[in-house]
Amino acid sequence: NAGVTQTPKFQVLKTGQSMTLQCAQDMNHEYMSWYRQDPGMGLRLIHYSVGAGITDQGEVPNGYNVSRSTTEDFPLRLLSAAPSQTSVYFCASSRVGTSSYNEQFFGPGTRLTVL
Amino acid sequence: AQSVTQLDSHVSVSEGTPVLLRCNYSSSYSPSLFWYVQHPNKGLQLLLKYTSAATLVKGINGFEAEFKKSETSFHLTKPSAHMSDAAEYFCVVSDSSGTYKYIFGTGTRLKVLA
Repeated sequence: NAGVTQTPKFQVLKTGQSMTLQCAQDMNHEYMSWYRQDPGMGLRLIHYSVGAGITDQGEVPNGYNVSRSTTEDFPLRLLSAAPSQTSVYFCASSRVGTSSYNEQFFGPGTRLTVL
Repeated sequence: AQSVTQLDSHVSVSEGTPVLLRCNYSSSYSPSLFWYVQHPNKGLQLLLKYTSAATLVKGINGFEAEFKKSETSFHLTKPSAHMSDAAEYFCVVSDSSGTYKYIFGTGTRLKVLA
C-alpha cells in the first residue's frame, strides 16, 4: 500500500513551458485535491475532485487544469508556466461520506521552479 | 465561510518545557478541526483531529488539543518539548457544508532549543 504518490519530486521549467504533475493513490479514495505551499501562506487549494469525472476549482485555480478519468489518478497540468507558479505542490486524498472528519492523506510533494 | 487563524508564526521553546501553539477558527457549521505537522522537506502528517466525540483530543507523540466552542479555539499543547518536535504545524478546518475542502492556517514554525 503506497498511499499517495507524486512524480516528479523536483522540476525546473522555463517560462511558457507546460507540464503535468502526476498524483496517484491506491486507497480507493473518492476525494483528491491539489495544493500549493508558499512561505507564510500555508497550503492553498488549487483544484479538487469528489470522484471520477467530477472536478471543481479551489482557491487559486488560474493557470492550472485537472482531470479525473480514474479513481486512482489526478494529474495537475500547468498550461504555460510562470515564475509565480514556483512553489511546492502537494496532492492529497480522502474518503467521502457523511462525515467531514475524514482525514486527508498527503503525498510527499513536488518542488517546482519556473525560471 | 470557514477560516482559521494561527496566532503565532514562530514559537521557540526549550527542550523539556511545555509547547502551546494557538489556533482560532471561524465556522458557520459545527467544525471539523485538524492539526498537521510538517518536518523540513517532508510531507504532512496528521497529529490529531476533532470529531465532536470529546473536546480534549489526544494525538500522536504526546500532543493534545482542546476544542473550546465559546472561544472558537483549538490550541495544540504538549507537556514537554523534544528536539524532534521542531517542525511546522498547521491548523486546519474542514468545510462541513459537504465539499470536503480543507482550509489551512498559515502555519506555526516551532523551534526547540537545547
